[in-house]
Amino acid sequence: DGGITQSPKYLFRKEGQNVTLSCEQNLNHDAMYWYRQDPGQGLRLIYYSQIVNDFQKGDIAEGYSVSREKKESFPLTVTSAQKNPTAFYLCASNDRGRNQPQHFGDGTRLSIL
Amino acid sequence: ILNVEQSPQSLHVQEGDSTNFTCSFPSSNFYALHWYRWETAKSPEALFVMTLNGDEKKKGRISATLNTKEGYSYLYIKGSQPEDSATYLCAFSSNSGYALNFGKGTSLLVTP
Repeated sequence: DGGITQSPKYLFRKEGQNVTLSCEQNLNHDAMYWYRQDPGQGLRLIYYSQIVNDFQKGDIAEGYSVSREKKESFPLTVTSAQKNPTAFYLCASNDRGRNQPQHFGDGTRLSIL
Repeated sequence: ILNVEQSPQSLHVQEGDSTNFTCSFPSSNFYALHWYRWETAKSPEALFVMTLNGDEKKKGRISATLNTKEGYSYLYIKGSQPEDSATYLCAFSSNSGYALNFGKGTSLLVTP
């Protein structure tokens, strides 16, 4: 079945450590997105990519980095510069275009040890 | 960041009741309005994408309307069922970028 796979489901980070969240899609979508959800907040955009080898910062990109070397994959690295990384992270993809619905993964919950 | 407001924040209805909630968004530079349903322990699922003023879309017992001139959209659920319990998110995209700006959602609980 086509879809978006995020892994791991749960992730723990030690202080000062970088961690990478995986997002893979087999929907042949050009565009991919990373969102963060905190309690009582809407989904906030971290980074997005409309095409391979290109990506743009969203509203809260500080302390995060991404790469888009393959169409299917859009990993998110939470760096040690992100001082409050505890959150739920969602990856999404769609056909390029602002009127195309986004398809979401099941999310990764990141916590600090 | 473009402000998208959803109301009410939460709603509790009985099975069979009809209900509706609101999404407000900036009326300038409008491109598209999305509605998603997010059930607990699942991923958000797209319900509708609307682009034209006056658009009305329907999917089973759920329908949505769009007013781009005044910057609001309504989501209606007719004859609510317990399986409709979820958080309903709206998101707005403008002419100035590809990103979606999400509201905080309306949490709906339907009890038998």
